[in-house]
Amino acid sequence: DIQLTQSPSFLSASVGDRVTITCRASQGISSYLAWYQQKPGKAPKLLIYAASTLQSGVPSRFSGSGSGTEFTLTISSLQPEDFATYYCQQLNSYPLTFGGGAKVEIK
Amino acid sequence: EVQLVETGGGLIQPGGSLRLSCAASGFTVSSNYMTWVRQAPGKGLEWVSVIYSGGSTYYADSVKGRFTISRDNSKNTLYLQMNSLRAEDTAVYYCARVVSYDGSPDYFDYWGQGTLVTVSS
Repeated sequence: DIQLTQSPSFLSASVGDRVTITCRASQGISSYLAWYQQKPGKAPKLLIYAASTLQSGVPSRFSGSGSGTEFTLTISSLQPEDFATYYCQQLNSYPLTFGGGAKVEIK
Repeated sequence: EVQLVETGGGLIQPGGSLRLSCAASGFTVSSNYMTWVRQAPGKGLEWVSVIYSGGSTYYADSVKGRFTISRDNSKNTLYLQMNSLRAEDTAVYYCARVVSYDGSPDYFDYWGQGTLVTVSS
């Protein structure tokens, strides 16, 4: 199975900060990676797919990059509504797997 | 508007069975790949199962042989039959639509609100 390791697992940041979350895969997954945002008590929401393609309707302050085994999600200027938990997901092979999550909290 | 509504969760004893439903609107379930994802209380996301438009199915090892994914085209509804339930199956279960461009899943674009399954005596 492909393991995804997210770092950091927790970060405290202020509104306006640039935030970067990393997702490392245990083996190469090309660009078969998606990022989701989840707020407490809500379903996950798709942000990025194919490692770097922004889902329709998602603000342009979100961006994704990487291929192979190392990927990043960047929020260029953190907004109040961005405080949430972020998950990466690999869709290269079964079983599909998610990273452990990165919780972004208000400093 | 695409909408997914899960029902069927509840409290069930270990060893019991439960069937979850996911009613879809705004698109045709049988023409899409569909999936179930679960989240144990306070934990991360875990993929459970997927069904392709052609009917192929895949499962996580943790549920293989116990869970069955299926759909009813006439009702535009996805199902997850869960047998031999264990305490570790306790979670919120989400259904989601899967986008596929080349035959393999590419991402999950629409999710339901989830239904809670609690396995406990």
